[in-house]
Amino acid sequence: EVQLVESGGGLVQPGRSLRLSCAASGFTFDDYAMHWVRQAPGKGLEWVSGISWNSGSIGYADSVKGRFTISRDNAKNSLYLQMNSLRAEDTALYYCAKGAHRGAVASYFDYWGQGTLVTVSS
Amino acid sequence: EIVMTQSPATLSVSPGERATLSCRASQSVSSNLAWYQQKPGQAPRLLIYGASTRATGIPARFSGSGSGTEFTLTISSLQSEDFAVYYCQQYNNWPPRITFGPGTKVDIK
Repeated sequence: EVQLVESGGGLVQPGRSLRLSCAASGFTFDDYAMHWVRQAPGKGLEWVSGISWNSGSIGYADSVKGRFTISRDNAKNSLYLQMNSLRAEDTALYYCAKGAHRGAVASYFDYWGQGTLVTVSS
Repeated sequence: EIVMTQSPATLSVSPGERATLSCRASQSVSSNLAWYQQKPGQAPRLLIYGASTRATGIPARFSGSGSGTEFTLTISSLQSEDFAVYYCQQYNNWPPRITFGPGTKVDIK
């Protein structure tokens, strides 16, 4: 059974940093691209970032480019999102999602975690 | 960036009736279009990918069609568990700029 478990969310002041983690199990982690998707309270879904199986291809939404960094550790079956210079508009539930393809970051998402909540507020 | 729009924003349907949801892309995404269902307090669930292929375990009452810029999700006979928000998502871009539509809420009439 595929499982994606996010952690690292919490309350953080504007301008500060936070690192999210996603622990994956139930599939061969290094066979697939992985993604972060967020959902602000009461709003729709927004893709944040994706990374190919070998970290050779990475993409970011314009809204986070230059502030967020995605990475993965295939030996630990883990995905990360380093979030710097956080803003109030980054407040959202952050989902870890499994891409359907190995190399293509542009993909649909066949499995999702339950999310970790990030609140940016003073 | 490819902008996705969905209509209607809300669709009121009686159980057993047919529901037709629309999704439009601001430029062609070929067949690189997926549909998701999201219920309150839950993560999204993949329904359709490649515009018309049902994901594993998705009932046959869900079907997708379209290509290019115009797409449709049809639920042939709504069941109580189908009342939810539905999102379309394109994955055509390179460099990747994956985008979602704003969603269509299907509620009980």
